[in-house]
Amino acid sequence: QVQLQESGPGLVKPSETLSLTCSVSGYSISSGYYWGWIRQPPGKGLEWIGSMHHSGSTYYNPSLKSRVTISVDTSKDQFSLKLSSVSAADTAVYYCARDKRVVIPSTMLWTSRFDPWGQGTLVIVSS
Amino acid sequence: SYVLTQPPSVSVAPGQTARITCGGNNIGGKSVHWYQQRPGQAPVLVVYDDTDRPSGIPERFSGSNSGNTATLTISRVEAGDEADYSCQVWDTSSDRGVFGGGTKLTVL
Repeated sequence: QVQLQESGPGLVKPSETLSLTCSVSGYSISSGYYWGWIRQPPGKGLEWIGSMHHSGSTYYNPSLKSRVTISVDTSKDQFSLKLSSVSAADTAVYYCARDKRVVIPSTMLWTSRFDPWGQGTLVIVSS
Repeated sequence: SYVLTQPPSVSVAPGQTARITCGGNNIGGKSVHWYQQRPGQAPVLVVYDDTDRPSGIPERFSGSNSGNTATLTISRVEAGDEADYSCQVWDTSSDRGVFGGGTKLTVL
């Protein structure tokens, strides 16, 4: 059974870089799938941040693209998120998840779904 | 950018049927996924590709998608179904994942 676990600082100062790591167990990242990050500000909805394949292919939310880097370490079955120049608006619970990207036969368009998810980690941006 | 619209809340009595909608421009042409999020927990996928259920999800959970509205239907609602439900699609025009704002299901 695939399990994901986020880790990293729970408090980051404004203008600094938020760094989180997701450790995957029960599955080898290099075997396939994309791996993604999603966040949820307190009391608000989910926001997709970005996803990465072990081959290096990445997709980022255009609204965050200039500040986001996702990387993968297949030797450790981990993938990481870096979000630069953070502000209070980046305060959120950050989730990692497996991203299954497939082509829909009827439309030949891509779709992605997230399953399973890590338990999430709260990151507060404050001085 | 593509926007998904959900009602903030839906209430239903135990044993009844709950229907949670997700509106989007020609959403019927996209593949819709639904997540359940109980308080303090991570989201769980309950329906994917409009109508399919992951293993372990009860048959009481079903989905449909047509035109500008996708719907998650929960039959014979139980107290344990009380949670936030979010829809999600992949917007191919901007190559990004998009979530609805979430709907809080209250079991009366």
